[in-house]
Amino acid sequence: AQSVTQLGSHVSVSEGALVLLRCNYSSSVPPYLFWYVQYPNQGLQLLLKYTSAATLVKGINGFEAEFKKSETSFHLTKPSAHMSDAAEYFCAVSDRNFGNEKLTFGTGTRLTIIP
Amino acid sequence: ETGVTQTPRHLVMGMTNKKSLKCEQHLGHNAMYWYKQSAKKPLELMFVYSLEERVENNSVPSRFSPECPNSSHLFLHLHTLQPEDSALYLCASSQDLGLSEQYFGPGTRLTVT
Repeated sequence: AQSVTQLGSHVSVSEGALVLLRCNYSSSVPPYLFWYVQYPNQGLQLLLKYTSAATLVKGINGFEAEFKKSETSFHLTKPSAHMSDAAEYFCAVSDRNFGNEKLTFGTGTRLTIIP
Repeated sequence: ETGVTQTPRHLVMGMTNKKSLKCEQHLGHNAMYWYKQSAKKPLELMFVYSLEERVENNSVPSRFSPECPNSSHLFLHLHTLQPEDSALYLCASSQDLGLSEQYFGPGTRLTVT
């Protein structure tokens, strides 16, 4: 069974500082991996996804994530935090069982930006 | 705006009430989903519909009853709920089943008293 672990339920960074949100996955087959963002009072929005092409994936709003098979990680980064980045971030994994793909989500990391 | 709308946005109901949540997608997608989001827990997939047929039911109690009358609309009928059912209920849609991107609605915040 697949699973994801997000280390740190709350992360605070100063405006302009590096954002690093951690995600480790467990999957018996090469996975597909996703990062979603949820702003207050809104649903989830896809930031980026890894589907076995380039290991460094660029997403919207300046975010990117790197797939590291040896570390079973898919950490999300942004070089310079902006106040508008304050939100909850979810890592998700899907196995490659064609026709029956399901997303398994982590518990989320709430990102706070300090002015 | 993601193209997925949900009504109502907030709902308070007693344990003996019957209510329904509505989801509508304006994206021409073929698959729709219900998720439950509770505090400090991962998002839980409840039901999946593809072309109006239910393809997934993740051991959800029968007090939750989904309905998909067409590919644009999805309902979640609620009856005799428990306080632990209080949560944010999210609807999502995707072009097809599989790994096409899921688009989420804003959710319905449900409180069971």
